[in-house]
Amino acid sequence: AQSVTQLDSHVSVSEGTPVLLRCNYSSSYSPSLFWYVQHPNKGLQLLLKYTSAATLVKGINGFEAEFKKSETSFHLTKPSAHMSDAAEYFCVVSDPNYGGATNKLIFGTGTLLAVQP
Amino acid sequence: DTAVSQTPKYLVTQMGNDKSIKCEQNLGHDTMYWYKQDSKKFLKIMFSYNNKELIINETVPNRFSPKSPDKAHLNLHINSLELGDSAVYFCASSQDLDTQNTGELFFGEGSRLTVL
Repeated sequence: AQSVTQLDSHVSVSEGTPVLLRCNYSSSYSPSLFWYVQHPNKGLQLLLKYTSAATLVKGINGFEAEFKKSETSFHLTKPSAHMSDAAEYFCVVSDPNYGGATNKLIFGTGTLLAVQP
Repeated sequence: DTAVSQTPKYLVTQMGNDKSIKCEQNLGHDTMYWYKQDSKKFLKIMFSYNNKELIINETVPNRFSPKSPDKAHLNLHINSLELGDSAVYFCASSQDLDTQNTGELFFGEGSRLTVL
């Protein structure tokens, strides 16, 4: 079965410093992986996705993630944090064989990013 | 124009009551979902519908009954509410079922249900 593990439940950085949010996946197949962001009292928004093309994926708002098969990781990074980046971030894997008929997204438990001034 | 809109945004009710949450998407998508987010922010799929047809029913008590009158609407009715039903319920939509390749779900802003 597919799963994702987000290694940190909380990450705190100072504005202008790099961001690293860690995610490891478990998959019997070549996975599709995603990062979603949830700002307070808002719905989730797709940041970026990996679907077996380039291993370094660039997303919105300066975020990027690198798929590393040897490490089964898909960590999210950003060179310089902004106050507006403060939010909950979810690593997600797609389960392609759910029910044999469709795909299902499986969400990690989330990492809360705090950005200090 | 809100792409995925759900109402009400907040709902406070007593145990045993019946309540509904409505969802509408104006993106022309074929597939809609209900997700439940618990107090620890864990997000889990409850249902998905594709062109009004139920595709995923993720071991949800039968007190929860989704209804899709057309592909732009997916409502959630909950009977005999229990304390454990307190959560934020998110409606979402996607172009079609192929989330593996597109992965992009569009979420509403959530409906926070509190059962007293």
